[in-house]
Amino acid sequence: EPEVTQTPSHQVTQMGQEVILRCVPISNHLYFYWYRQILGQKVEFLVSFYNNEISEKSEIFDDQFSVERPDGSNFTLKIRSTKLEDSAMYFCASSEEVSVGTQYFGPGTRLLVL
Amino acid sequence: QQQVKQSPQSLIVQKGGISIINCAYENTAFDYFPWYQQFPGKGPALLIAIRPDVSEKKEGRFTISFNKSAKQFSLHIMDSQPGDSATYFCAASMTHAGGTSYGKLTFGQGTILTVHP
Repeated sequence: EPEVTQTPSHQVTQMGQEVILRCVPISNHLYFYWYRQILGQKVEFLVSFYNNEISEKSEIFDDQFSVERPDGSNFTLKIRSTKLEDSAMYFCASSEEVSVGTQYFGPGTRLLVL
Repeated sequence: QQQVKQSPQSLIVQKGGISIINCAYENTAFDYFPWYQQFPGKGPALLIAIRPDVSEKKEGRFTISFNKSAKQFSLHIMDSQPGDSATYFCAASMTHAGGTSYGKLTFGQGTILTVHP
């Protein structure tokens, strides 16, 4: 069964450093999302991406964040200068078509900012 | 307006019992209501979903009940098993084109379910 994959599974970084989180969405999917989950809290929307541009972004997704689809398979989230409060689990999700509704989530990248 | 409220925060059920988790939403533009199951250290996995044109959907031991007028929906897990112990999230989204916030999932706070053997 096709699945969303994410790398790395864990990332430890120093405050102020740049990190890039990588995702490979399901191959025939057209809509891509990043969500984050701070430990013990709910899953929060960060950004949606379609047709090589951002469709929507949340208040969390400030100028320190960017997304890119550098090739036909990868979807990346970059945090330019990490802060302590960026420590969270980051999930990538993809869907075939928004009207279908179903989003499939990857296993996540646990980011720890020291 | 965009919130989804979920209760209870935690739930303990005996094996074989019924687990019931409730959610309420405010935005009447939501038209897709999924439930996700999450095990520790894993991503949310879609369990079952419903649209507002039906009042109930059943898949195996899992049933969603939907009350459009009350803007509430609930997950019922029949014959709960220890393997069902996980965190459950309700969510909502707008899947019709033309609206704002098209496609993004708004999640509830989550319910930690523990099923005792």
